[in-house]
Amino acid sequence: GENVEQHPSTLSVQEGDSAVIKCTYSDSASNYFPWYKQELGKRPQLIIDIRSNVGEKKDQRIAVTLNKTAKHFSLHITETQPEDSAVYFCAASIDFGNEKLTFGTGTRLTIIP
Amino acid sequence: EAGVAQSPRYKIIEKRQSVAFWCNPISGHATLYWYQQILGQGPKLLIQFQNNGVVDDSQLPKDRFSAERLKGVDSTLKIQPAKLEDSAVYLCASSSDRAQPQHFGDGTRLSIL
Repeated sequence: GENVEQHPSTLSVQEGDSAVIKCTYSDSASNYFPWYKQELGKRPQLIIDIRSNVGEKKDQRIAVTLNKTAKHFSLHITETQPEDSAVYFCAASIDFGNEKLTFGTGTRLTIIP
Repeated sequence: EAGVAQSPRYKIIEKRQSVAFWCNPISGHATLYWYQQILGQGPKLLIQFQNNGVVDDSQLPKDRFSAERLKGVDSTLKIQPAKLEDSAVYLCASSSDRAQPQHFGDGTRLSIL
C-alpha cells in the first residue's frame, strides 16, 4: 500500500519568513495530493491540493509543487503570519482507484512573532 | 453550506465497554469516510462508504469495530469491546463523489480508562 513520509516533524520560522514542508510517497499510481491544516483540537481543513497533471499550484501565500518522477511534493508558505501556526498534514490517494487518503505524520509549524 | 457534523465531541469509557459515534455528512455528499487519528499521528482510514455501500474497509478491525450507513446519509461507527489502544480522535469526512476533496468534521475524542 501507499506510504507517505513527511519532513520536518517540527518547524519554527520567524514571522514574515517562508516555510517549506516536504513529503514523499511510494505508490507511483497516486495522482491526488492534498494538504490539510489542523489547529489544536479542531478538524483538519483542506488548504490546497494538486493533481498529477499539474506541476505547481498557488493560492495567495500558499503553493504546492509536485515532482512525479521523484515522487515528492512540497508545501510552501510565504510571508508567514502567527495564524499559520498549526499542524500540517500531506496526503496522497488515487482518483477513481483507491481514494482513501494516506496521510503523512504531520509537521508542527510555529511562527515566531 | 453546513459542514460535517459529528457527535458526541468527547467520550470517556472503560475498557471492554462499547461506544458509538454518529456522523452527518454535508448534504448531498455521496462518499463518507471514517478515520482514526491517534495523538501525534495523521488520520488513518477505517472505512469508506459510497452511498450506503462499503468501498474499502481493509483497515477496519472487524472483530471489534463496525460501521453502517443506512439510507446513504448518516453513519454510525461502533466499537465493542473497546481496548486501551482505541483511544484516539475519530474523524468523519465526506466528499461529493469519489475523487472529490474530502471535508472533515470536528471528530469525537475517545478516551479509554
